[in-house]
Amino acid sequence: SQQGEEDPQALSIQEGENATMNCSYKTSINNLQWYRQNSGRGLVHLILIRSNEREKHSGRLRVTLDTSKKSSSLLITASRAADTASYFCATRKWDGLTFGKGTHLIIQP
Amino acid sequence: DADVTQTPRNRITKTGKRIMLECSQTKGHDRMYWYRQDPGLGLRLIYYSFDVKDINKGEISDGYSVSRQAQAKFSLSLESAIPNQTALYFCATSTPGGSYNEQFFGPGTRLTVL
Repeated sequence: SQQGEEDPQALSIQEGENATMNCSYKTSINNLQWYRQNSGRGLVHLILIRSNEREKHSGRLRVTLDTSKKSSSLLITASRAADTASYFCATRKWDGLTFGKGTHLIIQP
Repeated sequence: DADVTQTPRNRITKTGKRIMLECSQTKGHDRMYWYRQDPGLGLRLIYYSFDVKDINKGEISDGYSVSRQAQAKFSLSLESAIPNQTALYFCATSTPGGSYNEQFFGPGTRLTVL
């Protein structure tokens, strides 16, 4: 079963706008990670937020974590065409990672 | 990530055939993983290995086996392929780090079982 579930499943915005996607999970976590996957390619790690952190920034990325609600959000500011990809949240399970189904983000030029 | 390579990149095979997917890494990581990705289902963990002598089943290990030939090599085998094993397969590595295990993924192998 999926531990994390991203929302929305798909998101289309204009270049330059901000994109927000959410992740909900079911059990307690030590950390939550976000990955990006360009079409048909491997996943690339974007950012990790620990359970004792509430917000973290990396370049144009901002991640929040609310452990009381078991949810996280990923904000991409000033979107670019190159941000078009699928985005996955991941939490630890089986000593590996368990991934949600992803949010497919399309940036319209 | 060029540090994690997978071969082949694409493979079409027939039901009942034995298939081996290979993964190599130059990152020097002890931990290696195999995942499969199906449309609409995200990634699921098949097997993982924390060192050469360590092999562990993941969420969906039935129908698969693995071999950790060396620190840098981790192979996934389908002993008798079936059509519902058609998927995109990813190898990943990570360093030990308690629960802080950022993973580095290979480019994937697209497997089609006819």
